[in-house]
Amino acid sequence: EDQVTQSPEALRLQEGESSSLNCSYTVSGLRGLFWYRQDPGKGPEFLFTLYSAGEEKEKERLKATLTKKESFLHITAPKPEDSATYLCAAGDDKIIFGKGTRLHILP
Amino acid sequence: SQTIHQWPATLVQPVGSPLSLECTVEGTSNPNLYWYRQAAGRGLQLLFYSVGIGQISSEVPQNLSASRPQDRQFILSSKKLLLSDSGFYLCAWSVTGDSPLHFGNGTRLTVT
Repeated sequence: EDQVTQSPEALRLQEGESSSLNCSYTVSGLRGLFWYRQDPGKGPEFLFTLYSAGEEKEKERLKATLTKKESFLHITAPKPEDSATYLCAAGDDKIIFGKGTRLHILP
Repeated sequence: SQTIHQWPATLVQPVGSPLSLECTVEGTSNPNLYWYRQAAGRGLQLLFYSVGIGQISSEVPQNLSASRPQDRQFILSSKKLLLSDSGFYLCAWSVTGDSPLHFGNGTRLTVT
């Protein structure tokens, strides 16, 4: 069964305190691993696509990495505006999402 | 540029009533189209996806159905809503399966 699992479910950090979010996946067909950010009441906003193990992508304070079974979203020196739910998704035409990590950055 | 339209933004319906949510995409041809549902505080549950007109894959064997009457139009329907159908419904499109999804603004459905 196709599955995407994210951990932790929720994370509270002080401003400037770096951390990582985890996404593990088991899908029958993987053509892309995706990271999204979702703010309350809105649709997810695309962050990164990773296609092969060893690939890394960066955007401001975020860096996403991919292994054969997992992906990590590293957040370096976060700010309060980085507070959101971060979603991981994987698949080919059928895209499965994890339940997300609710990130709260305290000022 | 491509845009996605989803309506209505909010909807309150009684149990047993029908449902029709519509999603259209502009600025692209033959997109992959998706319907997801998000319960309060939960992740996105894939309901249906379509890689072309007349091609609908169902992931949730419940009282919901989907249709794609035109290349860039995706409709989510129900003949009789259940309380458990309440949630945030999101339509999305992508160019191909390995390109990112682009989401609409969602429909907040409350079944009373």
